Amino acid sequence: TQLLEQSPQFLSIQEGENLTVYCNSSSVFSSLQWYRQEPGEGPVLLVTVVTGGEVKKLKRLTFQFGDARKDSSLHITAAQPGDTGLYLCAGKSGGSNYKLTFGKGTLLTVNP
Amino acid sequence: NAGVMQNPRHLVRRRGQEARLRCSPMKGHSHVYWYRQLPEEGLKFMVYLQKENIIDESGMPKERFSAEFPKEGPSILRIQQVVRGDSAAYFCASSPGTSGTPYNEQFFGPGTRLTVL
Repeated sequence: TQLLEQSPQFLSIQEGENLTVYCNSSSVFSSLQWYRQEPGEGPVLLVTVVTGGEVKKLKRLTFQFGDARKDSSLHITAAQPGDTGLYLCAGKSGGSNYKLTFGKGTLLTVNP
Repeated sequence: NAGVMQNPRHLVRRRGQEARLRCSPMKGHSHVYWYRQLPEEGLKFMVYLQKENIIDESGMPKERFSAEFPKEGPSILRIQQVVRGDSAAYFCASSPGTSGTPYNEQFFGPGTRLTVL
């Protein structure tokens, strides 16, 4: 069973600060996705990374996939209260192109 | 473009009753996945279906749980004789399949929160 460890589990920061959250595994993933989930809602896809070393930017969010495709990070610049939510990473591995393994998430709170 | 739709959003059942959860995939998507999210746990894969076929049910409990995706209509996740431990958020996702987006990305519905009394 592949495991994805996310850290930190909780993060509370002030508006305008920068932050990075991490997603680590001992397994290699063919692709890795980041989702954001708000209370009472389903996960919303933010980005998919597939190539080792890949970096993708989405406005103030920067996603990186590790060279060995075992880890990923999400960096948020100048966080805003609207960034508050549960950030989940999920990966596909073992030759499966459909079964997602999820981490438990990082719960981010951005205080105004 | 309507996203993945799930209903009901909240469902309360007493122990021993049946729960039926419905999922309509995004337009153009023919692949449906069900995940369960327990308190303090991450989302766990349950089952993967295509129209009229169960492709992978390795994450679904062998007893009391079943899923279908008929030719017409929504996908149904059915839980018979519910127990308190079935209380969770159940999410449906859909994807276009390998011939769609390069990565066969899954898009999630808002979930059904099942509470068993």
